[in-house]
Amino acid sequence: QVQLVQSGAEVKKPGASVKVSCKASGYTFTGYYMHWVRQAPGQGLEWMGRINPNSGGTNYAQKFQGRVTMTRDTSISTAYMELSRLRSDDTAVYYCARAPRGRQYFDYWGQGTLVTVSS
Amino acid sequence: EIVLTQSPATLSLSPGERATLSCGASQSVSSSYLAWYQQKPGLAPRLLIYDASSRATGIPDRFSGSGSGTDFTLTISRLEPEDFAVYYCQQYGSSLLTFGGGTKVEIK
Repeated sequence: QVQLVQSGAEVKKPGASVKVSCKASGYTFTGYYMHWVRQAPGQGLEWMGRINPNSGGTNYAQKFQGRVTMTRDTSISTAYMELSRLRSDDTAVYYCARAPRGRQYFDYWGQGTLVTVSS
Repeated sequence: EIVLTQSPATLSLSPGERATLSCGASQSVSSSYLAWYQQKPGLAPRLLIYDASSRATGIPDRFSGSGSGTDFTLTISRLEPEDFAVYYCQQYGSSLLTFGGGTKVEIK
């Protein structure tokens, strides 16, 4: 069965960077785009961007351009999202989510990784 | 950017009642590329509906989606206790994917 397992919670200081991992299993990793979505405490969902695990090509929401980097390691079926120059309003749960072929909705989600930015 | 506005923000209903949730878009959503998700506290969202009206795998038939253009609806025909949650719509008709602000369905 399809599973996306994310790395554990992180606490970071303002200005630092964080890298969250998402290990996929149960399907062909390179066959499906992986997206990242975040959710601030008590708030709604916000799309950050996506990576094509086959080519490594990325598309980022303009809001995060210059601060976010999405990569992947196909040898271990893992996607990564790195966010730099963290601010307090980056405190959120970060989700990876798989998109079916040819579509950009999300049929499988990771369990989420809480990133807390605090001095 | 396509802005999605969900209404109402909160819906207070009893088990067995019908729930009607709305999602309005600031511009037409291409090809009815709209999805609905359910989220319970502490959990990741779960896909309910895609392409405006197609049920995802394993989703009960009491959930249905409809609409096109700028107006979309999620209907839960008879609320079960496990349906009380927050519901989000998401459009994927443009390169910048966006979500609505959510509707909380709570027990009256």
